[in-house]
Amino acid sequence: DTAVSQTPKYLVTQMGNDKSIKCEQNLGHDTMYWYKQDSKKFLKIMFSYNNKELIINETVPNRFSPKSPDKAHLNLHINSLELGDSAVYFCASSHIRIVAGVSSGELFFGEGSRLTVL
Amino acid sequence: AQKVTQAQTEISVVEKEDVTLDCVYETRDTTYYLFWYKQPPSGELVFLIRRNSFDEQNEISGRYSWNFQKSTSSFNFTITASQVVDSAVYFCALSEAQVNAGKSTFGDGTTLTVKP
Repeated sequence: DTAVSQTPKYLVTQMGNDKSIKCEQNLGHDTMYWYKQDSKKFLKIMFSYNNKELIINETVPNRFSPKSPDKAHLNLHINSLELGDSAVYFCASSHIRIVAGVSSGELFFGEGSRLTVL
Repeated sequence: AQKVTQAQTEISVVEKEDVTLDCVYETRDTTYYLFWYKQPPSGELVFLIRRNSFDEQNEISGRYSWNFQKSTSSFNFTITASQVVDSAVYFCALSEAQVNAGKSTFGDGTTLTVKP
């Protein structure tokens, strides 16, 4: 049973199209994330949801819209795709532990969704 | 603002050599978490270790060991007797001390190639 699964694994599409990537986790975690990994392998956080509530929204164009129908799912919809959106998008989840006032948990990643915009 | 620097972009070693991957971080928080993740050629990202800022004890797990030094803001990762299967991109990450955030800032990664 895959812990964090995302679909599709590969997406090839034309500029201007709209696409969605779905993510589901069966770990019972309360927090889910979307990370973007560019061609140089740099990893940047895009969004984070905790119990369906948006808690992190980095400087991401509003063409990107995350949706969390429940705490086990976090989907990413991208409108009007641009060439620069080509990347691998990773979904992740974690269980946030609070110790000495610090909240943290290691990330469990999905396999990634490689988006290619032509 | 937090920052993680992995100065070594690429490292190449021959099997059985020891190799150390450097990680230097910046944070204003007195309480924080540090992580290492591995990304093999197959592309998945795998958690290796978490360390909180209160715990400066070094850790060893098989051929892997981690050296955390708060005085130099470093959290280095050593692989002893490297193997070809250790070839991967390794990321160091730092987590903010915000309740319910768990946001991790990643370094740019170090690509390790272990040659037979």
